[in-house]
Parts: sequence; structure tokens; C-alpha cells
Amino acid sequence: AQTVTQSQPEMSVQEAETVTLSCTYDTSESNYYLFWYKQPPSRQMILVIRQEAYKQQNATENRFSVNFQKAAKSFSLKISDSQLGDTAMYFCAFIYGGSQGNLIFGKGTKLSVKP
Amino acid sequence: DAGVTQSPTHLIKTRGQQVTLRCSPKSGHDTVSWYQQALGQGPQFIFQYYEEEERQRGNFPDRFSGHQFPNYSSELNVNALLLGDSALYLCASSFPKRMMNTEAFFGQGTRLTVV
Repeated sequence: AQTVTQSQPEMSVQEAETVTLSCTYDTSESNYYLFWYKQPPSRQMILVIRQEAYKQQNATENRFSVNFQKAAKSFSLKISDSQLGDTAMYFCAFIYGGSQGNLIFGKGTKLSVKP
Repeated sequence: DAGVTQSPTHLIKTRGQQVTLRCSPKSGHDTVSWYQQALGQGPQFIFQYYEEEERQRGNFPDRFSGHQFPNYSSELNVNALLLGDSALYLCASSFPKRMMNTEAFFGQGTRLTVV
């Protein structure tokens, strides 16, 4: 079974500091993609960053970067220079060839950025 | 571009009733997926529609059914509502041929409360 585990239910960080959210996943597939989604109180899921499993280079999007450890099946998200607007639920998710577009999500981490 | 739109935003139903939720995909997208997000959980895949047919289904009972129209919009129907069906229902649209390298765009969801 394909699973995603986020072991940190809640985290907090001071504005302008750096925080890392953890995610591990379990799959026997070799071709898959990993994602971090942000869900603010408005409820709309927003894609933060995407990583292709066959690429060794870690993805980066402005203040957001990932640490992808394929052998360890680990996919952490680092947020640099945290901003108040980063306060949200963050979900790790992945998709694989056989799922035909079915995203498999973790339970999420609630991040609070404090002024 | 209006993005993915869902209606209604909130509704309250009584146990045993039936409900229909609606979703219009992002312009140019022809695949619609539905997810159920219980309080404090990550979204769970219900089913996906492409070319007006259910292409894939998650582990949900037959009380959950759907439909896709020629304009790619979609409906989710739930019959014989249970208290446990109370959740946020998310719709996501995407391109099927790029499903492994696509950003699934989500709507803001419909908050269903069953009393």
C-alpha cells in the first residue's frame, strides 16, 4: 500500500526564521512525483513545490526547498524567511503511474508563524 | 481564469438525506477528481472522472456516486447520508495525459455537515 506519514501535527516558527516540515512515504513504485500542498484557512489547496522521483536535484521555489532522500523515502520541506502568510496546514502528497492522478496525502502539519 | 469553482460552499443536511455537490474545472482541464477531507485529516480520494466516465475509484461505498457532463463539469452525489459523511469535499481538475507531471488545481471545497 502507498502511504504518506507526517509525524509533526503542529509546528511554530518565528517570523523570518527557517522551519523544516518532515514527510516520509512508502511505495514500491519507481516512477512517482512528490508534492507539498498548502491549505490556508480559505481551504483551497495550493501547490507549493513538486519533486520528480527520478531527479536527484532537490526542487526549489523561492523560499521553499525540499530535501529529497529517495533511499530513505523522505521528503522534507524547508521554508526560509518565514512570513505570516505561511501560516497554514501543509500536506505532503505523492502520485505514481498506477494511480492515474490520484493524489495520496499525509495527515498534514499545522504551521503557525508568529510575529 | 476563474480556476476551479465549487458550489455550494456550505450546507447542512439531515441523516438519511441525499446531497449533490458541484464542480467546474479550470478552463482547459478535462479531468475532475473528488476528495473527502475529514476534520484534522488529509484528503482521501473518492473518484476521478474523465470523458464523462468514472476512471478510478477510491475506497468509498456505492452511496457515493458522480457524474461528468460534456462541458467537463462534475457532480458528486451522496445518498443515505451518515453523520460520518460530514467533511470538506474538494474537487480538483487536471490534464490526464500529463497526470504524472501536472499540477492538480483545487477548488475551495464544500463543507458538508450532517446532523
